[in-house]
Amino acid sequence: DTAVSQTPKYLVTQMGNDKSIKCEQNLGHDTMYWYKQDSKKFLKIMFSYNNKELIINETVPNRFSPKSPDKAHLNLHINSLELGDSAVYFCASSPNDAYEQYFGPGTRLTVT
Amino acid sequence: AQSVTQLGSHVSVSEGALVLLRCNYSSSVPPYLFWYVQYPNQGLQLLLKYTSAATLVKGINGFEAEFKKSETSFHLTKPSAHMSDAAEYFCAVSSSNTGKLIFGQGTTLQVKP
Repeated sequence: DTAVSQTPKYLVTQMGNDKSIKCEQNLGHDTMYWYKQDSKKFLKIMFSYNNKELIINETVPNRFSPKSPDKAHLNLHINSLELGDSAVYFCASSPNDAYEQYFGPGTRLTVT
Repeated sequence: AQSVTQLGSHVSVSEGALVLLRCNYSSSVPPYLFWYVQYPNQGLQLLLKYTSAATLVKGINGFEAEFKKSETSFHLTKPSAHMSDAAEYFCAVSSSNTGKLIFGQGTTLQVKP
């Protein structure tokens, strides 16, 4: 049973397209996150939701929009994709009474 | 503001040798510290965490880390490296009020036979 799952695992698309990445966790956690890992493997937080409410919104272009239909899901929609958006995107979740986060397998986005 | 610095982007050890991966942090509030491991083409797996309890923390796969406030360090060690330990290791700091993780730049561990 996968705790934090993401779809798709690989995503190849052209500049200017709009794409979505889905994330689901079956751990019963209240908080979910999106991180971006660049080509140098540096990880940076993008967004955080707690029980469907946005609580962290780092300096991310408006083209990125997270959506949380319920506390088990946090999707990431990206408009007008650019070459610089190519990266691995990780979803994570954590319970309210602990600070560690559990990560999904990642989605490798390649923009051509 | 919080930050994490991992000394050494690449560490190479022989199988059976001691593994030492260095991490220093900066935090204006009591930190929560973590080590994660990332195997090729996989997500991050939590190795261990420090959340203000015992300063010597034991994790999975024989790893442990010691929190030293005076040195603002949280170095990761393993007495005897195994080939399967070859991976990318990330140190991270979190604050209780936001929960977000601030990661170091990562250290690639190579284990030679």
